[in-house]
Amino acid sequence: NAGVTQTPKFQVLKTGQSMTLQCAQDMNHEYMSWYRQDPGMGLRLIHYSVGAGITDQGEVPNGYNVSRSTTEDFPLRLLSAAPSQTSVYFCASRKRQGGQPQHFGDGTRLSIL
Amino acid sequence: AQSVTQPDIHITVSEGASLELRCNYSYGATPYLFWYVQSPGQGLQLLLKYFSGDTLVQGIKGFEAEFKRSQSSFNLRKPSVHWSDAAEYFCAVAGSTGTASKLTFGTGTRLQVTL
Repeated sequence: NAGVTQTPKFQVLKTGQSMTLQCAQDMNHEYMSWYRQDPGMGLRLIHYSVGAGITDQGEVPNGYNVSRSTTEDFPLRLLSAAPSQTSVYFCASRKRQGGQPQHFGDGTRLSIL
Repeated sequence: AQSVTQPDIHITVSEGASLELRCNYSYGATPYLFWYVQSPGQGLQLLLKYFSGDTLVQGIKGFEAEFKRSQSSFNLRKPSVHWSDAAEYFCAVAGSTGTASKLTFGTGTRLQVTL
């Protein structure tokens, strides 16, 4: 099993550019989520999904869009990148039952110039 | 709203010494509690979790944590630290109701191990 796979691992963008961070899991997990990690702030939830076709906002959703057309994939879109979105982004998945531990990808390090 | 506090930003211990990392949570009912570890440039790995039952939970790599409801705490311990334990440690809480319960992280504690 590959687990949770994120691509790319590194990316540099210019302000105003758009980009999609990819996330795929092969564990048939219903619940998927995106976090951003900034120094001294831990991980903050951006968006999450409890199943295909269902998404909802987390703590810091502004500037990001998501969709969930399949169980396996949960891409994160930046429509117009801003320097404040420079961060490390993590995708995670878990089984739908409440309290199940999340499995994390290795992260995407994104710099916005 | 649920929250997690990790009061120690950075801790340094000598190899072979014991370790305790503090975690306090806020949640209205009995929560699900987790400890994750993150090595530099890596994702997060689950160390252990508490759902219910025995309040002393054993995890991987020789770690354990104790849930204390009266103190709203879930401190992580290890009797003898190894140099490879140097990493950042995150405590997290999830609500105990509903499949959409979200995971809230503390700000992390960076552990440095001296030889």
